[in-house]
Amino acid sequence: AQTVTQSQPEMSVQEAETVTLSCTYDTSESDYYLFWYKQPPSRQMILVIRQEAYKQQNATENRFSVNFQKAAKSFSLKISDSQLGDAAMYFCAYRPSSGTYKYIFGTGTRLKVLA
Amino acid sequence: NAGVMQNPRHLVRRRGQEARLRCSPMKGHSHVYWYRQLPEEGLKFMVYLQKENIIDESGMPKERFSAEFPKEGPSILRIQQVVRGDSAAYFCASSRMRTGDWDYTFGSGTRLTVV
Repeated sequence: AQTVTQSQPEMSVQEAETVTLSCTYDTSESDYYLFWYKQPPSRQMILVIRQEAYKQQNATENRFSVNFQKAAKSFSLKISDSQLGDAAMYFCAYRPSSGTYKYIFGTGTRLKVLA
Repeated sequence: NAGVMQNPRHLVRRRGQEARLRCSPMKGHSHVYWYRQLPEEGLKFMVYLQKENIIDESGMPKERFSAEFPKEGPSILRIQQVVRGDSAAYFCASSRMRTGDWDYTFGSGTRLTVV
């Protein structure tokens, strides 16, 4: 079965510092997508970044970048220059390659940003 | 584009009542997916619908839960005879295509509280 594990229920970071959120997954598929979603108190699920498994290059979106280790089945999110607005729940998600539609989510990491 | 609209935002029901949750997909999207988020957990897939068809309901509880996506109007998730364990946030997502590679968009969810 495909699973996504986020082992850090909560993390804290000082404003302007860097924090890394961990995610591991288990799958027998060779082609898939990985995502990080942000869920602020408004409950909106906001796509932060996505990674195609066939791409070796790590995805980056402004202050957000990932460290994708396919062999280790690891997909961590690095947030640089943390801002107060980054405080939220962060969910790692997995989806098999095109043709499927089910996302599998981890249990989330609550990120607190300290002023 | 108003995005995926879900209403109500909050719904309180007494045990034994019915809950109706509505989801209007993004304009141009004809594929709708429902997820449930129990407290302190990630989102879990419930059902996938296209207009007038249920494609995959493998994540739906076998009893009391049903979903529809009529030709006209929003998709409806119905929970009959609600119990305390149904308390959760229910999210809807929509996409233009089945694969929904880059336009899979979530709504802000409906938080159901059963008292």
